[in-house]
Amino acid sequence: AQSVTQLDSHVSVSEGTPVLLRCNYSSSYSPSLFWYVQHPNKGLQLLLKYTSAATLVKGINGFEAEFKKSETSFHLTKPSAHMSDAAEYFCVVSDRTDYKLSFGAGTTVTVRA
Amino acid sequence: KAGVTQTPRYLIKTRGQQVTLSCSPISGHRSVSWYQQTPGQGLQFLFEYFSETQRNKGNFPGRFSGRQFSNSRSEMNVSTLELGDSALYLCASSLSLAGGPRGELFFGEGSRLTVL
Repeated sequence: AQSVTQLDSHVSVSEGTPVLLRCNYSSSYSPSLFWYVQHPNKGLQLLLKYTSAATLVKGINGFEAEFKKSETSFHLTKPSAHMSDAAEYFCVVSDRTDYKLSFGAGTTVTVRA
Repeated sequence: KAGVTQTPRYLIKTRGQQVTLSCSPISGHRSVSWYQQTPGQGLQFLFEYFSETQRNKGNFPGRFSGRQFSNSRSEMNVSTLELGDSALYLCASSLSLAGGPRGELFFGEGSRLTVL
């Protein structure tokens, strides 16, 4: 069975500074990994996904994530935070044998002006 | 291209009642999955339907059920409502099985259920 741990429940950054959201996973097999973002009172939107191609994955809105198998991590980064990045972010892992999804608990990002 | 549509967006029920929520997926998507989101438990997977068949199920009691129609629209039903069922219920559609190849999820804005 797979699981995912988001290491920070809340991250606060200043506008224009880098954002780092940390995600560790466990999976019996080679996983697929996703990051989703949820703005207040909205559904989740896919930011990016890793499915065994390039380990550095670029997503929408300037976000990227790097798959590190040795560290079982899939951390999300953005070089310069914008006010519109204030939202909740979810790391998700999928086991490729049965495709069951496991969601992290979420990281709430606050952006200070 | 229209997104995932969930109805109703907000509803209030009392304990013991039942509720039916509806989800219309993106055109061409064959998978619909349902999730319960609460502040305490986070996002929890309820079930997934693909081509009218339930393909995966989470750890929820039998009071939670769903179905999918031939046009891929899906409904979920919760019977004998309890206070703890108050939550945001999210529906997501995907081209193929959620989590698999071409299984990226596209979410609706959710149905917020309050049980009094």
